[in-house]
Amino acid sequence: LAKTTQPISMDSYEGQEVNITCSHNNIATNDYITWYQQFPSQGPRFIIQGYKTKVTNEVASLFIPADRKSSTLSLPRVSLSDTAVYYCLVGLLSGGYNKLIFGAGTRLAVHP
Amino acid sequence: DVKVTQSSRYLVKRTGEKVFLECVQDMDHENMFWYRQDPGLGLRLIYFSYDVKMKEKGDIPEGYSVSREKKERFSLILESASTNQTSMYLCASSYRTGSNEKLFFGSGTQLSVL
Repeated sequence: LAKTTQPISMDSYEGQEVNITCSHNNIATNDYITWYQQFPSQGPRFIIQGYKTKVTNEVASLFIPADRKSSTLSLPRVSLSDTAVYYCLVGLLSGGYNKLIFGAGTRLAVHP
Repeated sequence: DVKVTQSSRYLVKRTGEKVFLECVQDMDHENMFWYRQDPGLGLRLIYFSYDVKMKEKGDIPEGYSVSREKKERFSLILESASTNQTSMYLCASSYRTGSNEKLFFGSGTQLSVL
């Protein structure tokens, strides 16, 4: 069963750009890559989703190379409020259904 | 905005009790999920459902069962609670287009089994 691999933790400072990379070697042709953000005592919330190349929204950018075996979430100019756990999620079609597998998550700490 | 409501934020139960965790979504989503989250282990899928009265096992279904009698409601049942089921339980619903799926989570239920 394919899985995702992310760094356990990262540290940054306010105003810096943060890049978090996720490895998903066994991603299937039709799978999308989705990133979620989770604050303490809350459920994860959707940040961004992509299939290939680059996707950008008001919060983040997602870079996916041609082989799609990894993806990078980019957070521009982070602030203290971006301190959270970030999860990479790859949709896996198992038996005709999407069996959504979360990685262990990356704990991002933003310092003043 | 999509709202996924879990009936309790905190719950304390005793070993051997039957426990019901309720989840309701208001966006007419077909798909609903139960995850548990433990420190250092991330989110692990317990059960999911893609239709009323339908259920599929996730990665860690042992000790749990589910019920989906109505589209908007997905219940997680611990038939006989044990201390190793102390955890944060997260419910989610989603819509899917092909393999493109977006999850919406509730705020979670922190269950303590004593």
